[in-house]
Amino acid sequence: GENVEQHPSTLSVQEGDSAVIKCTYSDSASNYFPWYKQELGKGPQLIIDIRSNVGEKKDQRIAVTLNKTAKHFSLHITETQPEDSAVYFCAAILSGGYQKVTFGTGTKLQVIP
Amino acid sequence: KAGVTQTPRYLIKTRGQQVTLSCSPISGHRSVSWYQQTPGQGLQFLFEYFSETQRNKGNFPGRFSGRQFSNSRSEMNVSTLELGDSALYLCASSTTGTGFGYTFGSGTRLTVV
Repeated sequence: GENVEQHPSTLSVQEGDSAVIKCTYSDSASNYFPWYKQELGKGPQLIIDIRSNVGEKKDQRIAVTLNKTAKHFSLHITETQPEDSAVYFCAAILSGGYQKVTFGTGTKLQVIP
Repeated sequence: KAGVTQTPRYLIKTRGQQVTLSCSPISGHRSVSWYQQTPGQGLQFLFEYFSETQRNKGNFPGRFSGRQFSNSRSEMNVSTLELGDSALYLCASSTTGTGFGYTFGSGTRLTVV
């Protein structure tokens, strides 16, 4: 089955700096890659996603890049703010018939004011 | 519009008991997926229901079961509780199915003592 590795597990950055979280997946058939943000006491919230036919997608301060050859995708957050502090999860979706979802193990991001 | 509602928010049960958790999806969403979240294992997929039918199932023992009603509300049942079942149980609803455009609820925190 699919295996998703996510790094780093924790990340501390100064406010205003950039943060990068990377995920590697094993099944080349996966074709949809969402990112979720989970704040304390809440469920994960979808913040950005990318499909396998696209190399990069941006939404204001957040961007995701996908390298299908290397089978990895990354979340980039620029000009970080304290409210970006949360746990971030990546996922790889293997579609076709019944979709299978595999989540990464999460990255705890701390933005230091 | 209203989000995904999970009840109860917190639950304490004794080993050997059974428990039922409820999830009301976003209006119009026919897919409801359930996940177990623990610090050690991350987000683990339990099962997905679509239009009252279980469409996908993760690798959990038969003690974990679920169902979906005609109004798309879903319940998850765990019988013969074990200490290791202590976790945050999240449900996610979507229009299309597993992994696509998930909206998560805030979860039910189950503690087994």
